[in-house]
Amino acid sequence: AQSVTQLDSHVSVSEGTPVLLRCNYSSSYSPSLFWYVQHPNKGLQLLLKYTSAATLVKGINGFEAEFKKSETSFHLTKPSAHMSDAAEYFCVVSYTGGGNKLTFGTGTQLKVEL
Amino acid sequence: DTGVSQNPRHKITKRGQNVTFRCDPISEHNRLYWYRQTLGQGPEFLTYFQNEAQLEKSRLLSDRFSAERPKGSFSTLEIQRTEQGDSAMYLCASTPDPGGAKNIQYFGAGTRLSVL
Repeated sequence: AQSVTQLDSHVSVSEGTPVLLRCNYSSSYSPSLFWYVQHPNKGLQLLLKYTSAATLVKGINGFEAEFKKSETSFHLTKPSAHMSDAAEYFCVVSYTGGGNKLTFGTGTQLKVEL
Repeated sequence: DTGVSQNPRHKITKRGQNVTFRCDPISEHNRLYWYRQTLGQGPEFLTYFQNEAQLEKSRLLSDRFSAERPKGSFSTLEIQRTEQGDSAMYLCASTPDPGGAKNIQYFGAGTRLSVL
């Protein structure tokens, strides 16, 4: 079985300050982990993915995430938030034996204030 | 734009009616997935196809739901005798390779169903 837990349902930051969105995973197998972003009325867009190569993964728009096996975590960070980052973010786990279907967390709504 | 296309974008129906949604994946993508997303939740897996073969169905997919991918290209998801609990965003995704969890799933914008 596999699952992800997003520890915060809402995060609010000021523009220009760091962003931290937390995710813990549970998987019986070596997982692949993803972060997707969902803007209103738009499709889910991949930010980054971890697939057992480097533990620090860089994604689009300045986001990055670090895979920590000992902590079963895959937190998403960005050094400086921009207004356009306001959206819903999903941590996602997948594994080959499961038909590669994605298991999503419940999401974190990121609000960016001036 | 050659991304995943879903139609219609919005569907309002009365309880008990049948509805059908269509998904056109990215050209030559072998795998096609359907997910359902209710308000305040992350998407949940419903079913997936490898070419025209439906390989897995979630327990979420009751007998009222049926999905097809007749020629291994576009897919349809039909809900019969809709219920208010079926109100959700239905998402389609496709991926190019048959195997490997490393493969990225590309999502459409979804079809939002409202059952009155």
